[in-house]
Amino acid sequence: EIVLTQSPATLSLSPGERATLSCRASQSVSSYLAWYQQKPGQAPRLLIYDASNRATGIPARFSGSGSGTDFTLTISSLEPEDFAVYYCQQRSNWGALTFGGGTKVEIK
Amino acid sequence: QVQLQESGPGLVKPSETLSLTCAVSGYSISSGYYWGWIRQPPGKGLEWIGSIYHSGSTYYNPSLKSRVTISVDTSKNQFSLKLSSVTAADTAVYYCARHRVNDRAFDYWGQGTLVTVSS
Repeated sequence: EIVLTQSPATLSLSPGERATLSCRASQSVSSYLAWYQQKPGQAPRLLIYDASNRATGIPARFSGSGSGTDFTLTISSLEPEDFAVYYCQQRSNWGALTFGGGTKVEIK
Repeated sequence: QVQLQESGPGLVKPSETLSLTCAVSGYSISSGYYWGWIRQPPGKGLEWIGSIYHSGSTYYNPSLKSRVTISVDTSKNQFSLKLSSVTAADTAVYYCARHRVNDRAFDYWGQGTLVTVSS
């Protein structure tokens, strides 16, 4: 099983600041990585797929990068609605889809 | 607009079988995509349970495979989850979601349903 490790566990920032979230895979997943945002009491929402492609309707302030084992989700300037938990997910092969443990972006 | 809605008992006894159904509207399951189940224990992260194609092909999380069955009913435009021999560790919010074929991202999700395993 491919393990995804997200860091930091919690990121304390102010609105308008830049957020940089990391997701590291235990072995290469090529570019087969997605990012999701989850707010309390809600289902996750797809942000990024295949490492760097924004999903439909996702603002341009969200961007993804990376390949192989190291990936980054960047929020260029935090809006109040961006404070949430973010998860990465890999799909390198069927039968073993896994999620990272999550990074909470909280208001400083 | 694609919508998914989970339904099923909110309380299941230990050793029994958890059964949930996901009704899909706004899209015909027969038209394609995979359809998956994901769970989230209270205060914890996400765990993929398994996915099914409209043809009935299934893919399961190896850690749960021995206890999981996912089936599809295209006539009712819904798919279902059965998880046998449940314990307290299976207490979670269970989500159903549409699972894209090419990039295998989950693009539409149900609101989730809390299932508690307790006697």
